[in-house]
Amino acid sequence: AQSVTQLDSHVSVSEGTPVLLRCNYSSSYSPSLFWYVQHPNKGLQLLLKYTSAATLVKGINGFEAEFKKSETSFHLTKPSAHMSDAAEYFCVVGNTGFQKLVFGTGTRLLVSP
Amino acid sequence: EADIYQTPRYLVIGTGKKITLECSQTMGHDKMYWYQQDPGMELHLIHYSYGVNSTEKGDLSSESTVSRIRTEHFPLTLESARPSHTSQYLCASSEGWTSGTDTQYFGPGTRLTVL
Repeated sequence: AQSVTQLDSHVSVSEGTPVLLRCNYSSSYSPSLFWYVQHPNKGLQLLLKYTSAATLVKGINGFEAEFKKSETSFHLTKPSAHMSDAAEYFCVVGNTGFQKLVFGTGTRLLVSP
Repeated sequence: EADIYQTPRYLVIGTGKKITLECSQTMGHDKMYWYQQDPGMELHLIHYSYGVNSTEKGDLSSESTVSRIRTEHFPLTLESARPSHTSQYLCASSEGWTSGTDTQYFGPGTRLTVL
């Protein structure tokens, strides 16, 4: 079985400060892990993807995530938040043993000036 | 920006109407998916397809049906809409044969409201 838990439903930061969105996963096989972003009234856009290569994955718009097997975590970070980063972020797990992706419940990132 | 399109973007209809939500992709992907997303909730897979003439039900039971007559087209139909069908519907596609590791590309979604 596989599952993903996003530990915060909302995260508020000020523009220019670091962003940390937390995600823990459970998977019976070696997982593939994704972060997607969804802006209001838009579809989901892939930020980054981990597939057992480098444990530190760099994505678009300055985001990165680190795969930590011992902690079963895949937290998303960005050194400096921008107003345009305000959106809903989804952590997603999949693996070759299952034919579907499992989505977390999402974390809403709020960025204040 | 992925080349996957959904129409209409917004739809408000009365109970009992038949509706079809359109989804098309120009990437030549074999696999396509429909997800249902309620506000503030995760995405639930309701239908998927491995290719032409292939359709499967997803994890969340849905009264909708789908068809896959052409690779690029994966419409979703509700024969008789009800208020409980009010939700956002997202279409996606992926290139490979291993859905658990493939990147899925999403359309902009259709927000359906049934009165």
